[in-house]
Amino acid sequence: DTGVSQNPRHKITKRGQNVTFRCDPISEHNRLYWYRQTLGQGPEFLTYFQNEAQLEKSRLLSDRFSAERPKGSFSTLEIQRTEQGDSAMYLCASSTALAGVDTQYFGPGTRLTVL
Amino acid sequence: AQSVTQLDSHVSVSEGTPVLLRCNYSSSYSPSLFWYVQHPNKGLQLLLKYTSAATLVKGINGFEAEFKKSETSFHLTKPSAHMSDAAEYFCVVRINTGGFKTIFGAGTRLFVKA
Repeated sequence: DTGVSQNPRHKITKRGQNVTFRCDPISEHNRLYWYRQTLGQGPEFLTYFQNEAQLEKSRLLSDRFSAERPKGSFSTLEIQRTEQGDSAMYLCASSTALAGVDTQYFGPGTRLTVL
Repeated sequence: AQSVTQLDSHVSVSEGTPVLLRCNYSSSYSPSLFWYVQHPNKGLQLLLKYTSAATLVKGINGFEAEFKKSETSFHLTKPSAHMSDAAEYFCVVRINTGGFKTIFGAGTRLFVKA
C-alpha cells in the first residue's frame, strides 16, 4: 500500500506527558500537512512542510507543539506537557503539485486521548 | 477573509433518492474546491475536486459537484443514494497565497434510510 501512513493509530497518555506521532507520506509527495480534528468538527490546519522546510504554522500550534520533517520524507509531531484539551484526532496529509492542482491525500489519523 | 460554510449539519435521505449537500465559500482569490468523505473510523477520502477547468465535476461513486461562481457555491449531488453513502462529508477550500491555506467546512452528516 503506497498511501499515507500514521503511527501509532491510538495513543492514550496522562496529562503532562509528552507524545510523538509519526507520518509517512506518499513517497513522491514533497508537501506534508498536519491537521487536528475534534469530535463533530472539520479538520483544522496545524502546519505545512515543503520538503524539509516548515512554511506555515497555524496559531493553533502553541509552543507545546513542534513538528519536524528532517529529511523531507517522514514527519513527526510532538506535543509536550499534554493537556486534556489536546485530545483529538491528528491527521497527516501529503501532496504534490506535479500532477496539476495540489491535492491532499490523508492518512488514517492518530487518535490521542489525554487522561 | 476566506471561509467555507456547509449549510446543513445533517441530511437524511431514503435509499434510491437524490442527495444534495450544500457548500458556500468566501474567498478573495480563485480557489480550488474539494469534497472529501469520512466514513466512521476511516480516513478522509477525496471524492472530487474543482480546478477551474470544468464547472461540473464528476467524482467517485456517482457524486458530482457544480461550481457556481456567481453564487459562490459548490454543492455536492448524487442522483440515487446508497446505504454505503452514509458518512460525514467535508467541503474544502484551498487557496494559493504563496503558502497553501486549506479550510475545511464543519461537515455534513449524511444519513441514508432503507
